[in-house]
Amino acid sequence: KAGVTQTPRYLIKTRGQQVTLSCSPISGHRSVSWYQQTPGQGLQFLFEYFSETQRNKGNFPGRFSGRQFSNSRSEMNVSTLELGDSALYLCASSLRSPQNTEAFFGQGTRLTVV
Amino acid sequence: TQLLEQSPQFLSIQEGENLTVYCNSSSVFSSLQWYRQEPGEGPVLLVTVVTGGEVKKLKRLTFQFGDARKDSSLHITAAQPGDTGLYLCAGAPFLGNQFYFGTGTSLTVIP
Repeated sequence: KAGVTQTPRYLIKTRGQQVTLSCSPISGHRSVSWYQQTPGQGLQFLFEYFSETQRNKGNFPGRFSGRQFSNSRSEMNVSTLELGDSALYLCASSLRSPQNTEAFFGQGTRLTVV
Repeated sequence: TQLLEQSPQFLSIQEGENLTVYCNSSSVFSSLQWYRQEPGEGPVLLVTVVTGGEVKKLKRLTFQFGDARKDSSLHITAAQPGDTGLYLCAGAPFLGNQFYFGTGTSLTVIP
């Protein structure tokens, strides 16, 4: 059973540009959550998508957005990049059921903004 | 504001020593997960505890969920260099699907 796949693994972008990150969840998982991880702030929740709808949203500016497709794959977009957006972006997939709350992470996308 | 506080934040020990990492909150969770993360990689799920007071063992790792479902601990016996990494706890609320992550404990086991 394939795990969570994130692409690309590494990205270097310039301030002001935009970027799109992709996440393919584990087969059968319909919930995809995105997190930003930095040394100073730890893991910060961005948003969660389930059945193509955003269900939860963290405290990030509107420059951070996402979407989910009918096959549960999800994309995250960051517009007008700032130096402070440099981080490891992680996505996690889960079944999102009361009986099973486990989340499985991808390897992450390392974004560097210069 | 962090819902889950982990202690200690950093831990450096010699191979063969024992250690305990704590994950504390004032909130009640339906379940709690422990992850280990290596540099540049995503967190890997170690265990999920669901029942208050539950104890789970994974080889040399022992996980405990507090009776009130607000806290958890991870005990490692006879630590090995391969245990080195960032240990994260994550709580799942009763409502909603947002996991709340702890502040993390960076463990270094010196050979």
